[in-house]
Amino acid sequence: GAVVSQHPSWVICKSGTSVKIECRSLDFQATTMFWYRQFPKQSLMLMATSNEGSKATYEQGVEKDKFLINHASLTLSTLTVTSAHPEDSSFYICSAYPTSGRVNEQFFGPGTRLTVL
Amino acid sequence: DQQVKQNSPSLSVQEGRISILNCDYTNSMFDYFLWYKKYPAEGPTFLISISSIKDKNEDGRFTVFLNKSAKHLSLHIVPSQPGDSAVYFCAAIPAGTASKLTFGTGTRLQVTL
Repeated sequence: GAVVSQHPSWVICKSGTSVKIECRSLDFQATTMFWYRQFPKQSLMLMATSNEGSKATYEQGVEKDKFLINHASLTLSTLTVTSAHPEDSSFYICSAYPTSGRVNEQFFGPGTRLTVL
Repeated sequence: DQQVKQNSPSLSVQEGRISILNCDYTNSMFDYFLWYKKYPAEGPTFLISISSIKDKNEDGRFTVFLNKSAKHLSLHIVPSQPGDSAVYFCAAIPAGTASKLTFGTGTRLQVTL
C-alpha cells in the first residue's frame, strides 16, 4: 500500500526557535498534501492544503506566516513552525493525496510530536 | 464550530459483540463520509467510506450506515475483536472539495476479552 513518512517523529525545541517537519510520499506522487494538528483528546484539525508548485491554502485562523508550507516536489511537503511557542506543542500529521487518486485514497503519515519548551 | 461530532468519547464492548460508533454532522454540504482508525502516535488509517447517494456500505466486519435526513452515520463492527481497540474518527468531505476532510472528535473503542 501507499506509504507516507514524516520526519522527525518527535522533536523538542526551545521557545523562539523554528522547526521543520517533512512529509514524504514514498511510492506515489502527490500533487496535494494536507497538514493537520491534533491536541490531546481532540480532533484532527486541518491547517492547510499544500499544492505542488503553488502557494498553500490555509484554513481560517491558521497563521500562514507562522506555519510556512513548501511543496517543492510531487513527493515532499514541508511545514516549518517559525518562532515556536509552548502553545504550538501538538501532534502534527500530514496526508498525501495521490495525483490520480480517488476521494478515499488519502494516506496519512505517522505524525510528528512537537514539544516547545 | 464542530461540524462533525462524535458524542461518545469512549465505548467498551465485549469481544464477539457488536460495536456501534455514532457520528453526527451539521453541514448539509457534506456528501462523502469516511471512517478512520487511529492508534496513539500514529496517523489515521482508512477503514470504510460511504457516498451520500447510498445509505449502507459493507466491507467484511465493517458496515457504515448513513441517514441523510438525520445527518447521522454509524459504524458497525461485527464481531468485535481485541485488535479493534483504537480511536475511531468519522470524517466528512463537502461536495466539490476533493479530499478536504473535516474530522469528528473521535471515539475510543476498547474491546474486552
